Amino acid sequence: AQSVTQPDIHITVSEGASLELRCNYSYGATPYLFWYVQSPGQGLQLLLKYFSGDTLVQGIKGFEAEFKRSQSSFNLRKPSVHWSDAAEYFCAVVPGGSNYKLTFGKGTLLTVNP
Amino acid sequence: DTGVSQNPRHKITKRGQNVTFRCDPISEHNRLYWYRQTLGQGPEFLTYFQNEAQLEKSRLLSDRFSAERPKGSFSTLEIQRTEQGDSAMYLCASSLVSSGTFGSGTRLTVV
Repeated sequence: AQSVTQPDIHITVSEGASLELRCNYSYGATPYLFWYVQSPGQGLQLLLKYFSGDTLVQGIKGFEAEFKRSQSSFNLRKPSVHWSDAAEYFCAVVPGGSNYKLTFGKGTLLTVNP
Repeated sequence: DTGVSQNPRHKITKRGQNVTFRCDPISEHNRLYWYRQTLGQGPEFLTYFQNEAQLEKSRLLSDRFSAERPKGSFSTLEIQRTEQGDSAMYLCASSLVSSGTFGSGTRLTVV
């Protein structure tokens, strides 16, 4: 069965610092890959997605992610974090092209210090 | 496009009561999904519809849970005889194929 691992439960960074959130997946073929952000009590907002092609994907709010097939990873990055980025971040996968039945990681909670 | 709408936003119910949630998808999306998210966890897939047909149900969906999507438009998720373990955020998403949009969710608290 496919699975998604987000090794970091909680990360704290200072405002203006760079950020990298890790995501590893276990799946036989290359799945479709997603990153979502969730503010407290809210639904999920899509930051970016990877289906195929260029392995560096740009998303909203200045986020980017890089797909590395050899490492089964899809890490999320941002060069300079803003206080408003504090939220929970979820990596998710879906079998390529079939539907939108997502398997999520457990999430990484991001705290931003002033 | 008004997005995916879920009602109510919050529901507090006593153990043993029945509850029903509603999801209105984006109108041109033919697929609709329900997920459940407990505290500190990522969302978990419950079930999905293509038009009015329920194509897949997770083992998480016990016989106390039922979902419908009459006429392939809005969907309802009903939980009968609620238990404290049902307390969670219930999220709905709609899509055309492989990428979709989530609603803001319904937060259920069973007391």
